Amino acid sequence: GENVEQHPSTLSVQEGDSAVIKCTYSDSASNYFPWYKQELGKGPQLIIDIRSNVGEKKDQRIAVTLNKTAKHFSLHITETQPEDSAVYFCAASRGSQGNLIFGKGTKLSVKP
Amino acid sequence: DAGVIQSPRHEVTEMGQEVTLRCKPISGHNSLFWYRQTMMRGLELLIYFNNNVPIDDSGMPEDRFSAKMPNASFSTLKIQPSEPRDSAVYFCASILGGGNTIYFGEGSWLTVV
Repeated sequence: GENVEQHPSTLSVQEGDSAVIKCTYSDSASNYFPWYKQELGKGPQLIIDIRSNVGEKKDQRIAVTLNKTAKHFSLHITETQPEDSAVYFCAASRGSQGNLIFGKGTKLSVKP
Repeated sequence: DAGVIQSPRHEVTEMGQEVTLRCKPISGHNSLFWYRQTMMRGLELLIYFNNNVPIDDSGMPEDRFSAKMPNASFSTLKIQPSEPRDSAVYFCASILGGGNTIYFGEGSWLTVV
């Protein structure tokens, strides 16, 4: 089955700096790669996703890149703000089956 | 729009007691997922339903766990008997058929003492 590895487990940056979180996956049939943000006491919320026919996708300060050959994808947050502090999860799935396999999460701390 | 609704939000119970967690998916969504989150293991898929039918329950840890979806707007996850190692946050999530975006509830925080 699918296995998703996520690094780093914790990340601390200064406000205004960039943050990068990386994930690798094992199942070459996976074709959908979302990123979720989880704030304390809440459920994960989708922030951006990418499908395997796209190499990069951007939404304001957030971007995701995908390298299907190497089976890795990354989340990039630019101009970080304190409200970006949360746990971020990457995930992979075989598209419409919807059963996401999650990475272990990255706790991002943005220091003002 | 109402999101995925879970109850109870918090439960503390004694070892050996039965625990029932409840979920109401987003209206119109036809797939429902139960996840468990712990510090050690992260987010684990326990079981998912498609059109009220269990599709994959390979993540259910053992026979003490059972899940049902009697209709499109309600699902339960039951633990009987509960054990301290079942302490975790249990998330219910739903998705619209053909889509990919899974929407999570706020979770049920279970503590078994």
